Amino acid sequence: RKEVEQDPGPFNVPEGATVAFNCTYSNSASQSFFWYRQDCRKEPKLLMSVYSSGNEDGRFTAQLNRASQYISLLIRDSKLSDSATYLCVVTLNTGGFKTIFGAGTRLFVKA
Amino acid sequence: GAVVSQHPSWVICKSGTSVKIECRSLDFQATTMFWYRQFPKQSLMLMATSNEGSKATYEQGVEKDKFLINHASLTLSTLTVTSAHPEDSSFYICSARSRGGGVSGNTIYFGEGSWLTVV
Repeated sequence: RKEVEQDPGPFNVPEGATVAFNCTYSNSASQSFFWYRQDCRKEPKLLMSVYSSGNEDGRFTAQLNRASQYISLLIRDSKLSDSATYLCVVTLNTGGFKTIFGAGTRLFVKA
Repeated sequence: GAVVSQHPSWVICKSGTSVKIECRSLDFQATTMFWYRQFPKQSLMLMATSNEGSKATYEQGVEKDKFLINHASLTLSTLTVTSAHPEDSSFYICSARSRGGGVSGNTIYFGEGSWLTVV
């Protein structure tokens, strides 16, 4: 089982749609959780951190469920510019700091 | 603006030569830096983790004698691809972990990446 698993997609949605991405992690000692966005041929950029209390940034909402070891990202009112790959990232510190990336979920938003 | 700078952005080299890529944290001290490789349409693959002042820890399958990593200071790590071959052509990305405590101390910032083409 992969340490961080994501549905690779692609998700093809029309503009204005709401889309949700899921991510599961296997190590219960995981400490911090993030969603990164990666555009084609570019480096990943931090989209938002994920907290147990949930957090919202404009059209983006992230949730963490530690009991189920599950992270989600919800994008409302999708824009063409949201087309990208979304990476779920987990960090843990067990005998050394470690960052684990999911394989990413590709999103295509169409007019 | 970028908090992690990577240089060069693009490099073309001849087979058999060595190429050095620099990764600098611009406004924070990075105790740990990471080097990744990404082939087209594939996910990031961690190559090695480098801690300032100590030897890098390489992931399984990554040749440490081929991919030399030096983390000489809290703001600079370098990756040298030695005796490069066409199959080494890839997108190489570094990232740095900020030194602060709490959640912010675990945030990873990425460099802009370096496209290496070996001909």
